[in-house]
Amino acid sequence: NAGVTQTPKFRVLKTGQSMTLLCAQDMNHEYMYWYRQDPGMGLRLIHYSVGEGTTAKGEVPDGYNVSRLKKQNFLLGLESAAPSQTSVYFCASTGQGVPTYEQYFGPGTRLTVT
Amino acid sequence: AQRVTQPEKLLSVFKGAPVELKCNYSYSGSPELFWYVQYSRQRLQLLLRHISRESIKGFTADLNKGETSFHLKKPFAQEEDSAMYYCALSRRSNDYKLSFGAGTTVTVRA
Repeated sequence: NAGVTQTPKFRVLKTGQSMTLLCAQDMNHEYMYWYRQDPGMGLRLIHYSVGEGTTAKGEVPDGYNVSRLKKQNFLLGLESAAPSQTSVYFCASTGQGVPTYEQYFGPGTRLTVT
Repeated sequence: AQRVTQPEKLLSVFKGAPVELKCNYSYSGSPELFWYVQYSRQRLQLLLRHISRESIKGFTADLNKGETSFHLKKPFAQEEDSAMYYCALSRRSNDYKLSFGAGTTVTVRA
């Protein structure tokens, strides 16, 4: 099992550009999450999904959109990137069969917006 | 609302010394509590879950509901313990979303 994978690993964008981050998991998990990690702030939830075709807002959703067309994939989109979105983005998943529903994390995407 | 507080941003200890990372939470119900560890530029990994009452890599954490704390302890720190540690809370009724503390960076000196 590859677990949770993220594409790309690194990206540099100019202000106003758009991009999509891909998260994939091969554990048949129902729940998937996107977090951003910033120094001194821990990880904050952007959006999440409780199943294929569903999405919901997290703590910091502004400027991001998501889609979950397939159970194994969760896409995070930035329509018009801003320097404030410079961060490390982590995807995570969990589901039935996971003790206490702890989350499994991907390796992260380091995004810089200039 | 659920909130997790890690009061120490940085913790520096010598190899072989005890280390304790503090974590306090605010939630009136019965949450699930976790400690995650992130080694340099790697993904977050689950270290401990409170319900298991286990010891992983020499670390233990006890849930104290009266003090709403879930402190992480290790009696003898090793250099390979240098990492970022996050305390996190989730609830079944909240779609298992994790609320993280700000994290504590631990440096173990030789």
